[in-house]
Amino acid sequence: DADVTQTPRNRITKTGKRIMLECSQTKGHDRMYWYRQDPGLGLRLIYYSFDVKDINKGEISDGYSVSRQAQAKFSLSLESAIPNQTALYFCATSDLNNSPLHFGNGTRLTVT
Amino acid sequence: KNEVEQSPQNLTAQEGEFITINCSYSVGISALHWLQQHPGGGIVSLFMLSSGKKKHGRLIATINIQEKHSSLHITASHPRDSAVYICAVSGGSNYKLTFGKGTLLTVNP
Repeated sequence: DADVTQTPRNRITKTGKRIMLECSQTKGHDRMYWYRQDPGLGLRLIYYSFDVKDINKGEISDGYSVSRQAQAKFSLSLESAIPNQTALYFCATSDLNNSPLHFGNGTRLTVT
Repeated sequence: KNEVEQSPQNLTAQEGEFITINCSYSVGISALHWLQQHPGGGIVSLFMLSSGKKKHGRLIATINIQEKHSSLHITASHPRDSAVYICAVSGGSNYKLTFGKGTLLTVNP
């Protein structure tokens, strides 16, 4: 089983719908991150969390929200999806502030 | 904000060739990461380094802090090395990572 699991792997939805992407990890890491990847661009940070009570906005948080339900679970929500949120989304974890990242397999989201 | 440039953007090689992918950045960093993204999307961390050189199997990563430059080398390349290789630089914490756009490597048999 993967250490960092993202669900769903693929999702197609319509403009205006609320969508939740889920991430769970078995690595025991406190730090969790949500990234977005677009063709021709580097990964960009949406939100990050250092523990259950600590949530921080990243570079591109507008239009997104997150929930850290437990140390192992970090969910990303799009309250009202729009087409330019079509992208590949990655969850990642790390055990320290400046240590290797462990990524999930990604969720491909298409908003029509 | 740090600017991260990778070169080349695309690289095609024959099996067995020695591969070099370059990464340069504009502002001093605390660490540099090399990541591998296979077709199908999953990303794996290959190296994290702040000085010198690291080796893992056929992969070697070097960094020159003064020149703000890192290279990823693959010796005896194999088709299974075909992937996108991503460089990321850290300003002191993982939430301050700046990612390059990636280098698409294709190794033909």
